[in-house]
Amino acid sequence: DAKTTQPTSMDCAEGRAANLPCNHSTISGNEYVYWYRQIHSQGPQYIIHGLKNNETNEMASLIITEDRKSSTLILPHATLRDTAVYYCIASARGGSNYKLTFGKGTLLTVNP
Amino acid sequence: DTGVSQDPRHKITKRGQNVTFRCDPISEHNRLYWYRQTLGQGPEFLTYFQNEAQLEKSRLLSDRFSAERPKGSFSTLEIQRTEQGDSAMYLCASSLAQGSGNTIYFGEGSWLTVV
Repeated sequence: DAKTTQPTSMDCAEGRAANLPCNHSTISGNEYVYWYRQIHSQGPQYIIHGLKNNETNEMASLIITEDRKSSTLILPHATLRDTAVYYCIASARGGSNYKLTFGKGTLLTVNP
Repeated sequence: DTGVSQDPRHKITKRGQNVTFRCDPISEHNRLYWYRQTLGQGPEFLTYFQNEAQLEKSRLLSDRFSAERPKGSFSTLEIQRTEQGDSAMYLCASSLAQGSGNTIYFGEGSWLTVV
């Protein structure tokens, strides 16, 4: 898995958009960008993934730069329940090496 | 609930005792993973199964650890002669590997405290 770099922590006001950056400058052509989050004392929760194109689902949007060296996870209207550690992971999808290598992630704190 | 199920959620044991955790993956998921997470760190990969075959083991999985998935459905992770350093959350995850693979979903974890 390619190494990813994320800020240690970020703050966001409730109701505002939270934009979480991730650098993955050594990402390979077959590696996807995955985002998970982990609320205190719970298991990681899948949020979204993408390869080249921007992706959106009911939880978030994922913006991947054209050179694929960085990405941004966007939570459009952050709530207090979005306070969590957010992990950005670059990993090949499928195959015998398909597993996720977690870093320390970004602690997002949503403030009232 | 059709998610990944883990049991027990919390276990306190004395040093030297054996403990076993069980994981029931999402129905029809053929891949099953075990991770360990200590305070302040991200989850660390331990091992994974495709069906009943254990395909990869991390160097973190010492000889005191053994994982099984006898019928390709549920899995158990046993830790023998527990040590205080084994205190952690043990996470199970599953996915459906078809062709290019699929998303990995995690359970809520099993917390182990060795006293």
